[in-house]
Amino acid sequence: AQSVTQLDSQVPVFEEAPVELRCNYSSSVSVYLFWYVQYPNQGLQLLLKYLSGSTLVKGINGFEAEFNKSQTSFHLRKPSVHISDTAEYFCAVTTPRGSEKLVFGKGTKLTVNP
Amino acid sequence: DADVTQTPRNRITKTGKRIMLECSQTKGHDRMYWYRQDPGLGLRLIYYSFDVKDINKGEISDGYSVSRQAQAKFSLSLESAIPNQTALYFCATSEAGTGDEKLFFGSGTQLSVL
Repeated sequence: AQSVTQLDSQVPVFEEAPVELRCNYSSSVSVYLFWYVQYPNQGLQLLLKYLSGSTLVKGINGFEAEFNKSQTSFHLRKPSVHISDTAEYFCAVTTPRGSEKLVFGKGTKLTVNP
Repeated sequence: DADVTQTPRNRITKTGKRIMLECSQTKGHDRMYWYRQDPGLGLRLIYYSFDVKDINKGEISDGYSVSRQAQAKFSLSLESAIPNQTALYFCATSEAGTGDEKLFFGSGTQLSVL
């Protein structure tokens, strides 16, 4: 079975600072990896995904993530955050064609302060 | 209009009551899911359905039941609500056969059981 660990439950940063949200996964088979974002009072929406190929994945709103198989990590980064990036971010893992097996991390609450 | 609509948005009920949460989608997806979100625990899968005749239990199905009335409708019932079922509930859909398992979420139903 797959599992995912988000190493920080809360990350406060100042506007225009860089940010990294950390995610590690565990799986004995190949995986698909996702980052979802949940803005206040909204459902989750896909930020980016890694299926195969290039290990650097670019998503919406200037976010990117790098798949590192040797370190079993999929950290999310943004070089300069905005107030509007304040949200909860969820890392998720599944196996190919296994949507019912999608496992979410516990979430990281990013707060961007002026 | 939202692609995945959940009703009601908020619900307060008493212990022992039967309640139903409804979800409808206009995306034409075959696959539908019910998740619950608890603070600090991320999202956990309750039930999922890959088509009208296919219903499957997820990680935490005890105390819940579902009905897939049509391709577009998937309802979640709590037969006898209890306080630890207080949570934020999300419906989600995905398209079969794409291989990338992207989920589309509704805005959620906040349920409080007193």
